[in-house]
Amino acid sequence: QSVLTQPPSVSGAPGQRVTISCAGSSSNIGAGYDVHWYQQAPGTAPKLLISGNNRRPSGVPDRFSGSKSGTSASLAISGLQAEDEADYYCQSYDSRLIAYVFGTGTKVTV
Amino acid sequence: EVQLVESGGGLVQPGGSLRLSCVDSGFTFSDYWMSWVRQTPGKGLEWVANIKHDGSDKQYVDSAKGRFAITRDNAKNSLYLQMNSLRAEDTAMYYCARVDCSRTSCYFDYWGQGTPVTVSS
Repeated sequence: QSVLTQPPSVSGAPGQRVTISCAGSSSNIGAGYDVHWYQQAPGTAPKLLISGNNRRPSGVPDRFSGSKSGTSASLAISGLQAEDEADYYCQSYDSRLIAYVFGTGTKVTV
Repeated sequence: EVQLVESGGGLVQPGGSLRLSCVDSGFTFSDYWMSWVRQTPGKGLEWVANIKHDGSDKQYVDSAKGRFAITRDNAKNSLYLQMNSLRAEDTAMYYCARVDCSRTSCYFDYWGQGTPVTVSS
């Protein structure tokens, strides 16, 4: 069972801004562990989108941004494009489980 | 270009064994921790195991402890996952992933294409 909770789906029109939440607890995000985000297009492997709460790897458009506050984190996609249709997952570390943990995943529909 | 290529997946009966392999290129393999991550339609993504650069430290999710063993051969740029006593709930796509770390937690910066494992009689 995932310990990081995300909304199952979000949708938006091209050009709009959408946000995806990632709710954790005091043993993971709230304990100060960084949050990372992945994008997974249909039939492909996950791809790192954001590391360390808000760092974009080379090649990731600046339309994607991350933030973290308290026991939760968020991924924002601005200027939504058709190619952004994918599943998105947050990930952190949990000190109670002593394991790397992923969110439940969010499907973005454009 | 970083590349991770998994192999070894397949259909196995409950209680059986399987050995997954991952051959890596495009980076200095011996400089990085490596991981196995699996994905099922029902449970989503789940980290399975990590191994340190030199193989001296290994970490496992609770469900894998005692059944799975992660190893590496730095001379062959290869990562392995020996899976024993397989159960139906181990059915998943298994990904090999390279590990990097931020200030307070680690993440998976490159992934292979995955190899499917099905445990069924």
